[in-house]
Amino acid sequence: GAGVSQTPSNKVTEKGKYVELRCDPISGHTALYWYRQSLGQGPEFLIYFQGTGAADDSGLPNDRFFAVRPEGSVSTLKIQRTERGDSAVYLCASSLGVTREKRETQYFGPGTRLLVL
Amino acid sequence: GEDVEQSLFLSVREGDSSVINCTYTDSSSTYLYWYKQEPGAGLQLLTYIFSNMDMKQDQRLTVLLNKKDKHLSLRIADTQTGDSAIYFCAERGSSARQLTFGSGTQLTVLP
Repeated sequence: GAGVSQTPSNKVTEKGKYVELRCDPISGHTALYWYRQSLGQGPEFLIYFQGTGAADDSGLPNDRFFAVRPEGSVSTLKIQRTERGDSAVYLCASSLGVTREKRETQYFGPGTRLLVL
Repeated sequence: GEDVEQSLFLSVREGDSSVINCTYTDSSSTYLYWYKQEPGAGLQLLTYIFSNMDMKQDQRLTVLLNKKDKHLSLRIADTQTGDSAIYFCAERGSSARQLTFGSGTQLTVLP
């Protein structure tokens, strides 16, 4: 399969713990995005990478959230000192990263469902 | 900031047409998208339209864009039970790469 993959598909943790969520983008896609989808809502933007660098992290809610993409492919979203309000589906998307119509289309992974008890 | 709004629910009979509406506030929107989400699944891109177009047709899907009123619609012809899902409208502004999504419209297709 050549789609965006995310692991784990489900994660249950306790309040205060640290979690890492992984995203494997489509091969050749230079742009990678993280979104968070709370129950009954649309996805909300968290952070966007172009290559290895975070081009826009304006959606990260606070400094407990951090993301990396060290080699410009796989990305990890890291959440420290998790809170119950962090429970949501975390979605990753990738695109070719070129500003032409079709190439900017974002393709989404299946998401990681995070539950903080 | 930018805002995208959709009605929450729509029910139609199988075989009828469905029309899902969306309004947005960002006048610099360049691309507008429709995504479909089935229960427990990720987002599936259905179609998109560039802001200099007013209509796009793709098989059973027709997208209409009224840029003056900042109104986008998705028409699904001959709606089937397999079309039951949540449909999200999303827009991308000229200065940003990320998408701003609406809250989604739950489409229920009745037999």
